[in-house]
Amino acid sequence: EVQLVESGGGLVQPGGSLRLSCAASGFSFSGHWMTWVRRAPGKGLEWVANIKQDGSEKYYVDSVKGRFTISRDNPKNSLYLQMNSLRAEDTAVYYCARDRSTSSWSLFFDYWGQGTLVTVSS
Amino acid sequence: DIQMTQSPSTLSASVGDRVTITCRASQSISSWLAWYQQKPGKAPKFLIYQASSLESGVPSRFSGSGSGTEFILTISSLQPDDSATYYCQHYSGYPRTFGQGTKVEIK
Repeated sequence: EVQLVESGGGLVQPGGSLRLSCAASGFSFSGHWMTWVRRAPGKGLEWVANIKQDGSEKYYVDSVKGRFTISRDNPKNSLYLQMNSLRAEDTAVYYCARDRSTSSWSLFFDYWGQGTLVTVSS
Repeated sequence: DIQMTQSPSTLSASVGDRVTITCRASQSISSWLAWYQQKPGKAPKFLIYQASSLESGVPSRFSGSGSGTEFILTISSLQPDDSATYYCQHYSGYPRTFGQGTKVEIK
């Protein structure tokens, strides 16, 4: 059974940092693209970033470029999101999701974790 | 960036009704479109890929159609368990974008 479990969320002040983790199990983690998606309170889903199987390609939404870094540790079956210079508008539930793709290009997201809440407030 | 626009934003229908949700892309995305369902407090659930391919285990009352810039999600006979918000999402280039969501309520 595919399982994705996020952790690391919490309350942080504007300008602060946080590192989210996603522990994956039940599938060949190193074979799949992986993604972070967020949902701000009262808003819809927003794709944040994704990373290729070997970490050689990473893509970000413009609003987080230069502030967030996606990474992965394949031997540990783990996905990460380092978030720096956090802003109030980054407040959201952050979901880790598995990409269906095991090839060179990313596709859609077939399994999702339950999410971790990040609140940016003073 | 490709913008995805869903309509309506909210709909209310009765059990057994046929329900359709439209998703329009700001430029052609061929059939690179997925649909998701999200219930309050839950993770999104993947429903349909390649615009019209039903994911295994998803009830057959769900179907998708369209290509290019206009797509439709249809629920052929609405059930109480279908009360949720539905999102379309393109995977034709970056950034990936979702529609704003359509909330489906049961009358």
